[in-house]
Amino acid sequence: DTAVSQTPKYLVTQMGNDKSIKCEQNLGHDTMYWYKQDSKKFLKIMFSYNNKELIINETVPNRFSPKSPDKAHLNLHINSLELGDSAVYFCASSHYPPGELFFGEGSRLTVL
Amino acid sequence: EDKVVQSPLSLVVHEGDTVTLNCSYEVTNFRSLLWYKQEKKAPTFLFMLTSSGIEKKSGRLSSILDKKELFSILNITATQTGDSAIYLCAATGTSGTYKYIFGTGTRLKVLA
Repeated sequence: DTAVSQTPKYLVTQMGNDKSIKCEQNLGHDTMYWYKQDSKKFLKIMFSYNNKELIINETVPNRFSPKSPDKAHLNLHINSLELGDSAVYFCASSHYPPGELFFGEGSRLTVL
Repeated sequence: EDKVVQSPLSLVVHEGDTVTLNCSYEVTNFRSLLWYKQEKKAPTFLFMLTSSGIEKKSGRLSSILDKKELFSILNITATQTGDSAIYLCAATGTSGTYKYIFGTGTRLKVLA
């Protein structure tokens, strides 16, 4: 039973398209995150939700819009995709205040 | 600005060698330091440290935190090719809200 699951695992799309990534956790955690990992493997926080409330919103283009329908789900929608959006996007979850951070397997986005 | 710096950026050793990976941090209202190992997919949890001077150990891996000097080290003894991975450290703190700040990682390659 996967603790943090993301879909899809791979997306290949053209510039200008819109895409969504879904994430679900079954750990009973209060807080969920989206991280972007670039080609140099640097993990950068994008968003965090605590009990469906947005608590971290880093400097991310407003083409990226997170949505948390409930505390077990956090989705990421990206409009008007650009080449620079190509990366691996990781969903993660933790208790709040944070202890161990649990990661999903990542969604590799390639924008052509 | 909160930051986490890891060194070295990359390291190549031979099987059986001992390696020490470094992580220094400057994080507002520091709470904990975490180490992760990343192979092909998601980062997997190794250790979480909250107290200075108390070593955490798991098999050939061990880690310690120095809250006065603001750093942590991860030691791997008798390295094996399966230890080849990127090792990430993250510090948690709060400047308004809790967040995990990741370092750039150390890429370790162990040669047979």
